This record gives sequence, structure tokens and C-alpha cells, in this order.
Amino acid sequence: DQQVKQNSPSLSVQEGRISILNCDYTNSMFDYFLWYKKYPAEGPTFLISISSIKDKNEDGRFTVFLNKSAKHLSLHIVPSQPGDSAVYFCAASDDGNQFYFGTGTSLTVIP
Amino acid sequence: DADVTQTPRNRITKTGKRIMLECSQTKGHDRMYWYRQDPGLGLQLIYYSFDVKDINKGEISDGYSVSRQAQAKFSLSLESAIPNQTALYFCATSDDRYTDTQYFGPGTRLTVL
Repeated sequence: DQQVKQNSPSLSVQEGRISILNCDYTNSMFDYFLWYKKYPAEGPTFLISISSIKDKNEDGRFTVFLNKSAKHLSLHIVPSQPGDSAVYFCAASDDGNQFYFGTGTSLTVIP
Repeated sequence: DADVTQTPRNRITKTGKRIMLECSQTKGHDRMYWYRQDPGLGLQLIYYSFDVKDINKGEISDGYSVSRQAQAKFSLSLESAIPNQTALYFCATSDDRYTDTQYFGPGTRLTVL
């Protein structure tokens, strides 16, 4: 059973607008969450993380929000740029040993 | 030079063959991981190792084995490859704390005919 879900396989956004990528999880014991970005023919690269003691973490144009009661996190990219076009994976862990990844959302930023 | 390298980058093999995928890292990290990615399924953990003597099974270890030859090297073997092991395989490394970032290699595309 998929413990981390990204229900939107793809998203298209105009350059300069906000991109919102969503992720849901089922395991209430997850306490650390990450977002990775992946370009074609490359491995995923770390983007931003958040621990369960916070509900928001910001890094430049990227902000991750965590709603523990809803078991939901989201990644906001503002403003979106064409170079942000990639596949975005969310991941979660409850013990630091194993990370569970979502299925990914392919973001296209239209110039 | 890349911090995490994987060889080969692409491999086509036949059912029943033994195949080894290799991963090397220059980051000096103790933790190493093998994942596979299937279309529509995201990344799934196969095995992970916290040091040379500590190897653990992940979610989907059946049909795979690993060897941690040194801190910098972690190999994944398919003893008898089958078509449903056709996937993209990623190696990753991280430092000691689980909140440390995982650094991924470029991936190996494996096709089992």
C-alpha cells in the first residue's frame, strides 16, 4: 500500500505564477518530510524538508507547508520559472531508516 | 566529477542472467541506499546500509542482494533477472543523521528481456 501519495501526475503553470504541488500520507508516525526534484536522465536532487514540529519551512522561492491533522503537505513555488519544469517527489520517514516516496508530479512551467 | 556514480548507465539482459549494478561515492558518507523506480510507482527502497557491516532490507528486497565492499562502494545484484525487474535503479548516499540529505546517482536503466 502506498503510504505517500501524489494524486496529480502532472501540473502546468504559467511563468511567474504560483505552482502548488500536493502530497498526502497515511502513516501518522511520519515525522520528517522532504521534496526532491528530478530532471530527465538525472537522479533526484534534494529541494526542501520539514520536520513534524513545524508547519512551514521556506527557502527562497520554495515553501513547504505541513498539515499534520490532515496528513497533507504541499510545496509552493513562487514565482515559477521555466527551469522549475521537472518531476517533483515528496518523501517521508518515521524512523530515519527508510524513506517512502510518492509517485511524483510532473511540473511544466510555460514561458 | 560526480559525487555518486553508477555503472552501467544502461543495461539490457535476458531472463535468468545474473547482473550486478555498481555504485561509488566520493562524499565520504556512511549511509548508502538502493532504490528502484517504476512508472507510476515512485521510488521504492530495495536495501540500505549504514556502514560496511550493517546492511538492511528495504520494502522490496526479494530477488535482490547487495554487497558493501567499502565505505564508498555498494553493489546491487540480481541473481536471476526476471522481466518485472525492468526499472530505473538509483543509488543514494547520506551522512549519519537521517535528516541529512540523500544524494542520488544518475540512475541505471535496466531492461530484462
